Amino acid sequence: NAGVMQNPRHLVRRRGQEARLRCSPMKGHSHVYWYRQLPEEGLKFMVYLQKENIIDESGMPKERFSAEFPKEGPSILRIQQVVRGDSAAYFCASSPPGQATNEKLFFGSGTQLSVL
Amino acid sequence: QKEVEQNSGPLSVPEGAIASLNCTYSDRGSQSFFWYRQYSGKSPELIMFIYSNGDKEDGRFTAQLNKASQYVSLLIRDSQPSDSATYLCAVIESSASKIIFGSGTRLSIRP
Repeated sequence: NAGVMQNPRHLVRRRGQEARLRCSPMKGHSHVYWYRQLPEEGLKFMVYLQKENIIDESGMPKERFSAEFPKEGPSILRIQQVVRGDSAAYFCASSPPGQATNEKLFFGSGTQLSVL
Repeated sequence: QKEVEQNSGPLSVPEGAIASLNCTYSDRGSQSFFWYRQYSGKSPELIMFIYSNGDKEDGRFTAQLNKASQYVSLLIRDSQPSDSATYLCAVIESSASKIIFGSGTRLSIRP
């Protein structure tokens, strides 16, 4: 029973390039969350998705960032024209379908993005 | 802006003592509360959740919730060096649209 799978574990990009971070939720999970974490800081909510729907993207920067969770395949967090300030650990978490008040999150190992 | 507040620490506790971690939240309508543990360089893992006022015990861990005071805490009894980590408090907003985390409290258990 595989857990939440994120890849790549480490991603290095130069300023102006695009970064694509992938997340495959646990089997049977239909809710995906993306969080960003800077060193010595907490998890900052970015976006909450269900299959083919964005439920809440209030934590996403208005420009350059987008997320999707297609019917088939992993969830993708896409960062266009990366800047040094985008360097952080990006964690994906999933939870099973059901009432939101019971949502316990299971986290992937994260993707460490480094922008040179 | 709905927030979850934690003392960043570090909180230093001698081995075998009780560690007490605190968290306050601003969204009075929140119904679900979680504690996650995160070791350095690792991903968070769920250790406790609580939905009702009062205490909930699981092994050496006790979560306490007081909705009137908008306060949730985590007690760790018989602290072990392996408990040294950052503890993150998380709350589901009343809109149920997202789960908000506090900035975490660093706990250090000294032998």
